[in-house]
Amino acid sequence: AQSVTQPDIHITVSEGASLELRCNYSYGATPYLFWYVQSPGQGLQLLLKYFSGDTLVQGIKGFEAEFKRSQSSFNLRKPSVHWSDAAEYFCAVGAGGQNFVFGPGTRLSVLP
Amino acid sequence: SQTIHQWPATLVQPVGSPLSLECTVEGTSNPNLYWYRQAAGRGLQLLFYSVGIGQISSEVPQNLSASRPQDRQFILSSKKLLLSDSGFYLCAWSRGQGANYGYTFGSGTRLTVV
Repeated sequence: AQSVTQPDIHITVSEGASLELRCNYSYGATPYLFWYVQSPGQGLQLLLKYFSGDTLVQGIKGFEAEFKRSQSSFNLRKPSVHWSDAAEYFCAVGAGGQNFVFGPGTRLSVLP
Repeated sequence: SQTIHQWPATLVQPVGSPLSLECTVEGTSNPNLYWYRQAAGRGLQLLFYSVGIGQISSEVPQNLSASRPQDRQFILSSKKLLLSDSGFYLCAWSRGQGANYGYTFGSGTRLTVV
């Protein structure tokens, strides 16, 4: 069965600093990969997704993620964090059908 | 464009009371519909999904149930709430199989059972 790990439970960065959120997955084939963001008390919003092709995918709000098959990773990056980026971020893996697994989430705090 | 509506936004219910949460999708037909629960400090847990009217698949045995009386309506219910039912409930839809397309989520319902 597929699984997703997000090693960092909580990350704090200063506004304007760069950001990288880690995501590792376990799946026997190439999965569909997603990043979602959840602001406090809100639903989840899709940031970006990878299905195939170019391993560097661009998303909304200036985020990007890179699929590295050799490392089974799909890390999320942003070159300059804004205070409004403070939220919880979820990596997810789709393995066909209804097999969709979310990671435990990483909470991002942004210092002014 | 497609939109998903979920209500109520917050709900406080006593133990043993019934529950009904509603979710509707607009702007698409025959969506796959999902109910997720997010408990405090925990990840997202898939509760139910539906690929069509009257078709419900349960992922986790519990005292909750789901129904899909119309193509774009998905209802989460309970006859008697437990304290452990407290959490943040999210409805979602996908075009086709969620694992292939990803989900669009509603804004969630914060349920507190007291």
